[in-house]
Amino acid sequence: SQQGEEDPQALSIQEGENATMNCSYKTSINNLQWYRQNSGRGLVHLILIRSNEREKHSGRLRVTLDTSKKSSSLLITASRAADTASYFCATDLTDSWGKLQFGAGTQVVVTP
Amino acid sequence: EAQVTQNPRYLITVTGKKLTVTCSQNMNHEYMSWYRQDPGLGLRQIYYSMNVEVTDKGDVPEGYKVSRKEKRNFPLILESPSPNQTSLYFCASSEAFDRARYEQYFGPGTRLTVT
Repeated sequence: SQQGEEDPQALSIQEGENATMNCSYKTSINNLQWYRQNSGRGLVHLILIRSNEREKHSGRLRVTLDTSKKSSSLLITASRAADTASYFCATDLTDSWGKLQFGAGTQVVVTP
Repeated sequence: EAQVTQNPRYLITVTGKKLTVTCSQNMNHEYMSWYRQDPGLGLRQIYYSMNVEVTDKGDVPEGYKVSRKEKRNFPLILESPSPNQTSLYFCASSEAFDRARYEQYFGPGTRLTVT
């Protein structure tokens, strides 16, 4: 089964609203990353958060990590139509050197 | 321009006909990886390489081969493709598989159909 699982699977919001998606994982990690994918194209790295960090910001993005709950959240504030994409979390597992495991993704649609 | 390139971008082939998907990066990255993406399953890692001549299996290596003879290239080989290998394939690279810096750069993808 997959290590990272995003929730919700799909999200539809209007421009200006905030979008929040969550990622849960099962085993111990070194870090967790979030990526964005626009309609079948290559993934683009958004943020990396290490296991000893609790929160990171990058522009309109805010990522939190709760290792006790084995979960992370990605918040996109003041969303724009250009934020329409699929968002994936990926985990670097402590017991799997070299492997990066992705979740199934959250599809976000932002309507003008 | 720093990039990861893949060729071909689209390929339709028949069962059993050997094929190679090339991947090249111009960033002098040590780490390279192949993923396949299927609807509802996200990305699954096929093989990865920490450096030249160092490769290892990911989560779904069956039916695939890789080689890393040069730092910039990491071809994916399907010796005898089958319809269940129909998928969208991505190559990715990162500077090093170091816990501190780990951002992966992805290629544009190769859409493979095996009939």
